[in-house]
Amino acid sequence: RKEVEQDPGPFNVPEGATVAFNCTYSNSASQSFFWYRQDCRKEPKLLMSVYSSGNEDGRFTAQLNRASQYISLLIRDSKLSDSATYLCVVFMNSGGYQKVTFGTGTKLQVIP
Amino acid sequence: DAGITQSPRYKITETGRQVTLMCHQTWSHSYMFWYRQDLGHGLRLIYYSAAADITDKGEVPDGYVVSRSKTENFPLTLESATRSQTSVYFCASSDRAHEQYFGPGTRLTVT
Repeated sequence: RKEVEQDPGPFNVPEGATVAFNCTYSNSASQSFFWYRQDCRKEPKLLMSVYSSGNEDGRFTAQLNRASQYISLLIRDSKLSDSATYLCVVFMNSGGYQKVTFGTGTKLQVIP
Repeated sequence: DAGITQSPRYKITETGRQVTLMCHQTWSHSYMFWYRQDLGHGLRLIYYSAAADITDKGEVPDGYVVSRSKTENFPLTLESATRSQTSVYFCASSDRAHEQYFGPGTRLTVT
Protein backbone atom coordinates (compact mmCIF):
# COMPACT_ATOMS: atom_id res chain seq x y z
CA ARG A 1 0.00 0.00 0.00
CA LYS A 2 1.33 3.45 -0.88
CA GLU A 3 1.99 5.79 2.03
CA VAL A 4 -0.13 8.49 0.46
CA GLU A 5 -2.78 7.68 -2.12
CA GLN A 6 -4.82 9.92 -4.34
CA ASP A 7 -7.25 9.28 -7.16
CA PRO A 8 -5.32 10.53 -10.21
CA GLY A 9 -8.50 11.68 -11.96
CA PRO A 10 -8.96 13.59 -14.13
CA PHE A 11 -11.98 15.18 -12.56
CA ASN A 12 -13.75 17.08 -15.32
CA VAL A 13 -16.25 19.53 -13.84
CA PRO A 14 -18.21 22.48 -15.25
CA GLU A 15 -17.56 26.01 -14.08
CA GLY A 16 -19.45 26.77 -10.90
CA ALA A 17 -19.55 23.17 -9.74
CA THR A 18 -18.39 21.88 -6.38
CA VAL A 19 -15.73 19.19 -6.42
CA ALA A 20 -14.04 17.23 -3.67
CA PHE A 21 -10.85 15.19 -3.54
CA ASN A 22 -9.74 12.74 -0.92
CA CYS A 23 -6.30 11.58 0.03
CA THR A 24 -5.57 8.61 2.27
CA TYR A 25 -2.41 8.05 4.27
CA SER A 26 -1.15 4.84 5.80
CA ASN A 27 0.97 5.96 8.76
CA SER A 28 -1.10 6.87 11.77
CA ALA A 29 1.89 8.74 13.24
CA SER A 30 1.69 11.35 10.49
CA GLN A 31 1.62 14.79 12.02
CA SER A 32 0.92 17.49 9.47
CA PHE A 33 -1.03 17.61 6.27
CA PHE A 34 -1.10 19.98 3.34
CA TRP A 35 -2.55 20.54 -0.07
CA TYR A 36 -0.31 21.84 -2.83
CA ARG A 37 -1.34 22.91 -6.29
CA GLN A 38 0.76 22.22 -9.37
CA ASP A 39 0.05 23.71 -12.76
CA CYS A 40 1.22 21.89 -15.86
CA ARG A 41 5.02 21.93 -16.14
CA LYS A 42 5.31 24.27 -13.18
CA GLU A 43 6.49 23.95 -9.60
CA PRO A 44 4.13 22.93 -6.79
CA LYS A 45 2.78 25.73 -4.65
CA LEU A 46 1.35 25.51 -1.16
CA LEU A 47 -2.42 25.85 -1.30
CA MET A 48 -3.34 25.32 2.33
CA SER A 49 -2.54 23.48 5.51
CA VAL A 50 -5.04 20.99 6.89
CA TYR A 51 -5.96 21.28 10.53
CA SER A 52 -7.80 18.80 12.71
CA SER A 53 -10.67 21.23 13.13
CA GLY A 54 -10.91 21.81 9.41
CA ASN A 55 -10.09 25.08 7.73
CA GLU A 56 -11.44 27.26 5.00
CA ASP A 57 -9.81 29.73 2.65
CA GLY A 58 -12.32 31.39 0.37
CA ARG A 59 -13.77 28.74 -1.92
CA PHE A 60 -11.45 26.05 -0.56
CA THR A 61 -12.14 23.88 2.48
CA ALA A 62 -9.74 21.29 3.84
CA GLN A 63 -10.55 18.65 6.41
CA LEU A 64 -8.68 15.95 8.27
CA ASN A 65 -10.13 12.68 9.50
CA ARG A 66 -7.52 11.03 11.70
CA ALA A 67 -9.70 8.06 12.60
CA SER A 68 -10.08 7.06 8.94
CA GLN A 69 -6.69 8.46 7.95
CA TYR A 70 -7.72 10.72 5.13
CA ILE A 71 -7.73 14.37 4.25
CA SER A 72 -10.07 16.11 1.85
CA LEU A 73 -10.17 19.24 -0.25
CA LEU A 74 -13.45 20.81 -1.31
CA ILE A 75 -13.58 23.47 -4.00
CA ARG A 76 -16.80 25.43 -4.36
CA ASP A 77 -17.85 27.49 -7.36
CA SER A 78 -15.06 26.10 -9.54
CA LYS A 79 -13.23 28.53 -11.82
CA LEU A 80 -11.36 27.78 -15.02
CA SER A 81 -8.22 28.92 -13.19
CA ASP A 82 -8.66 26.08 -10.68
CA SER A 83 -7.60 23.62 -13.37
CA ALA A 84 -4.43 22.04 -12.03
CA THR A 85 -3.12 18.99 -10.25
CA TYR A 86 -3.69 18.94 -6.50
CA LEU A 87 -1.06 17.22 -4.40
CA CYS A 88 -1.68 15.84 -0.95
CA VAL A 89 1.34 16.09 1.36
CA VAL A 90 1.91 14.28 4.64
CA PHE A 91 4.63 15.22 7.07
CA MET A 92 6.11 13.23 9.93
CA ASN A 93 8.95 13.89 12.31
CA SER A 94 10.25 10.67 13.77
CA GLY A 95 13.29 10.78 16.02
CA GLY A 96 14.60 13.89 14.31
CA TYR A 97 14.10 12.41 10.84
CA GLN A 98 11.95 14.58 8.64
CA LYS A 99 9.73 12.55 6.36
CA VAL A 100 7.69 14.40 3.78
CA THR A 101 5.58 12.30 1.44
CA PHE A 102 3.79 13.69 -1.59
CA GLY A 103 0.86 12.00 -3.22
CA THR A 104 0.95 11.60 -6.98
CA GLY A 105 -1.79 14.17 -7.36
CA THR A 106 -5.37 14.51 -8.55
CA LYS A 107 -5.91 16.32 -11.82
CA LEU A 108 -8.78 18.77 -12.04
CA GLN A 109 -10.06 20.17 -15.31
CA VAL A 110 -12.74 22.85 -15.06
CA ILE A 111 -14.73 23.07 -18.26
CA PRO A 112 -16.42 26.24 -19.56
CA ASP B 1 14.41 39.39 -6.97
CA ALA B 2 14.00 37.44 -3.76
CA GLY B 3 12.97 33.84 -3.97
CA ILE B 4 14.34 30.49 -4.98
CA THR B 5 16.07 29.88 -8.27
CA GLN B 6 17.43 26.82 -10.03
CA SER B 7 19.97 26.48 -12.78
CA PRO B 8 20.18 25.29 -15.40
CA ARG B 9 16.49 25.09 -16.27
CA TYR B 10 17.16 22.49 -18.97
CA LYS B 11 20.08 20.10 -19.30
CA ILE B 12 20.93 17.28 -21.66
CA THR B 13 23.88 15.12 -20.71
CA GLU B 14 25.34 11.76 -21.57
CA THR B 15 25.42 8.62 -19.47
CA GLY B 16 28.41 8.58 -17.15
CA ARG B 17 28.95 12.33 -16.99
CA GLN B 18 28.89 14.29 -13.78
CA VAL B 19 26.17 16.91 -13.58
CA THR B 20 25.54 19.56 -10.93
CA LEU B 21 22.19 21.23 -10.48
CA MET B 22 22.22 24.51 -8.59
CA CYS B 23 19.69 25.87 -6.15
CA HIS B 24 19.79 29.31 -4.54
CA GLN B 25 17.36 30.94 -2.12
CA THR B 26 17.33 34.46 -0.77
CA TRP B 27 14.99 33.99 2.20
CA SER B 28 17.64 32.56 4.57
CA HIS B 29 15.40 29.55 5.09
CA SER B 30 16.93 26.87 7.29
CA TYR B 31 15.59 23.91 5.35
CA MET B 32 16.31 23.04 1.75
CA PHE B 33 15.20 20.02 -0.22
CA TRP B 34 15.79 18.25 -3.50
CA TYR B 35 13.03 16.26 -5.17
CA ARG B 36 12.62 14.46 -8.44
CA GLN B 37 9.27 14.17 -10.16
CA ASP B 38 8.46 11.33 -12.51
CA LEU B 39 5.18 10.19 -14.02
CA GLY B 40 3.47 7.71 -11.75
CA HIS B 41 5.71 8.45 -8.78
CA GLY B 42 4.92 11.99 -7.85
CA LEU B 43 7.54 13.97 -6.01
CA ARG B 44 10.22 11.92 -4.28
CA LEU B 45 12.66 13.37 -1.80
CA ILE B 46 16.31 12.86 -2.71
CA TYR B 47 18.11 14.79 0.04
CA TYR B 48 17.31 17.53 2.47
CA SER B 49 19.24 19.88 4.70
CA ALA B 50 18.11 21.35 8.00
CA ALA B 51 20.92 23.94 8.11
CA ALA B 52 24.31 24.70 6.61
CA ASP B 53 26.63 21.69 6.84
CA ILE B 54 23.74 19.40 7.84
CA THR B 55 22.33 17.09 5.18
CA ASP B 56 20.35 13.89 5.29
CA LYS B 57 19.08 11.29 2.87
CA GLY B 58 15.55 11.16 1.62
CA GLU B 59 13.68 8.40 -0.12
CA VAL B 60 15.87 8.04 -3.25
CA PRO B 61 19.44 9.24 -2.52
CA ASP B 62 21.44 6.67 -4.48
CA GLY B 63 23.55 8.20 -7.24
CA TYR B 64 23.27 11.73 -5.86
CA VAL B 65 25.52 13.89 -3.69
CA VAL B 66 24.67 17.16 -1.96
CA SER B 67 26.50 19.78 0.01
CA ARG B 68 25.47 22.87 1.88
CA SER B 69 28.40 25.09 2.81
CA LYS B 70 26.23 28.22 2.74
CA THR B 71 22.65 28.62 3.91
CA GLU B 72 21.50 29.99 0.58
CA ASN B 73 22.92 27.31 -1.72
CA PHE B 74 22.16 23.62 -2.01
CA PRO B 75 23.73 22.02 -5.10
CA LEU B 76 22.81 18.52 -6.20
CA THR B 77 25.42 16.46 -8.06
CA LEU B 78 24.83 13.36 -10.13
CA GLU B 79 28.22 11.72 -9.92
CA SER B 80 27.79 9.47 -12.96
CA ALA B 81 24.50 10.15 -14.68
CA THR B 82 22.29 7.25 -15.73
CA ARG B 83 19.22 7.20 -17.99
CA SER B 84 17.06 6.42 -14.98
CA GLN B 85 17.98 9.85 -13.62
CA THR B 86 16.17 11.55 -16.47
CA SER B 87 13.57 13.55 -14.58
CA VAL B 88 12.38 16.96 -13.46
CA TYR B 89 14.28 18.09 -10.38
CA PHE B 90 12.78 20.56 -7.94
CA CYS B 91 14.55 22.36 -5.18
CA ALA B 92 12.54 23.73 -2.26
CA SER B 93 13.22 25.77 0.84
CA SER B 94 11.37 26.37 4.08
CA ASP B 95 11.78 27.92 7.47
CA ARG B 96 9.69 25.01 8.70
CA ALA B 97 10.12 21.60 7.12
CA HIS B 98 6.62 21.24 5.84
CA GLU B 99 5.63 24.61 4.31
CA GLN B 100 7.91 24.49 1.34
CA TYR B 101 8.53 26.93 -1.48
CA PHE B 102 9.66 25.37 -4.71
CA GLY B 103 11.99 26.56 -7.41
CA PRO B 104 10.94 26.42 -11.08
CA GLY B 105 12.59 23.05 -11.68
CA THR B 106 15.36 21.65 -13.85
CA ARG B 107 14.45 19.29 -16.68
CA LEU B 108 17.32 16.83 -17.01
CA THR B 109 17.66 14.36 -19.86
CA VAL B 110 20.36 11.70 -19.75
CA THR B 111 21.04 10.13 -23.14
